[in-house]
Amino acid sequence: AQSVTQLGSHVSVSEGALVLLRCNYSSSVPPYLFWYVQYPNQGLQLLLKYTSAATLVKGINGFEAEFKKSETSFHLTKPSAHMSDAAEYFCAVISPGGYNKLIFGAGTRLAVHP
Amino acid sequence: KAGVTQTPRYLIKTRGQQVTLSCSPISGHRSVSWYQQTPGQGLQFLFEYFSETQRNKGNFPGRFSGRQFSNSRSEMNVSTLELGDSALYLCASSFRGEGRTDTQYFGPGTRLTVL
Repeated sequence: AQSVTQLGSHVSVSEGALVLLRCNYSSSVPPYLFWYVQYPNQGLQLLLKYTSAATLVKGINGFEAEFKKSETSFHLTKPSAHMSDAAEYFCAVISPGGYNKLIFGAGTRLAVHP
Repeated sequence: KAGVTQTPRYLIKTRGQQVTLSCSPISGHRSVSWYQQTPGQGLQFLFEYFSETQRNKGNFPGRFSGRQFSNSRSEMNVSTLELGDSALYLCASSFRGEGRTDTQYFGPGTRLTVL
């Protein structure tokens, strides 16, 4: 069965610092991986997705993620944090044959302080 | 283009009651998925509908059901509510329902509180 693990339920960074949110996946087949962001009292917004075209994926709001098969990882990064990045971030994988069935990690809450 | 809309946004019910939540997908989208979000269990897939047919179902009891209409609007129903059903229920829509190539767009959710 496919699954994702997000290391660190809470991450705190200073404004302007590097953001690194960790995601490791478990999959018996080539995975399709996603990062979503959720702002308070809102639904989920897609940041980026990996669909095997390129290992370095660029998303919205300056975020990017690198797919590393040898490490089974898909970590999310942003070079310089902004106060508006404070939110909860979810890594997800599509279940094989599961059409739109997303399997989510537990989430990482990012805090950005001045 | 209007986004995914969910009604109502907030709902308070008591144990034993039933509830119906509604989701209107983005125009032209034929796939609608439902997710439950709780602090303890996180985000869990409930079911997915495509062209009025349920294609996929998560691991939830039969009290949770759904349907999709010919205009792609979807409803989910929870009968005999339990305290543990308190959650944010999210709806997502996509064009073809092929998650690997489609993008799923989420609505703002319906916050259900069961007393």
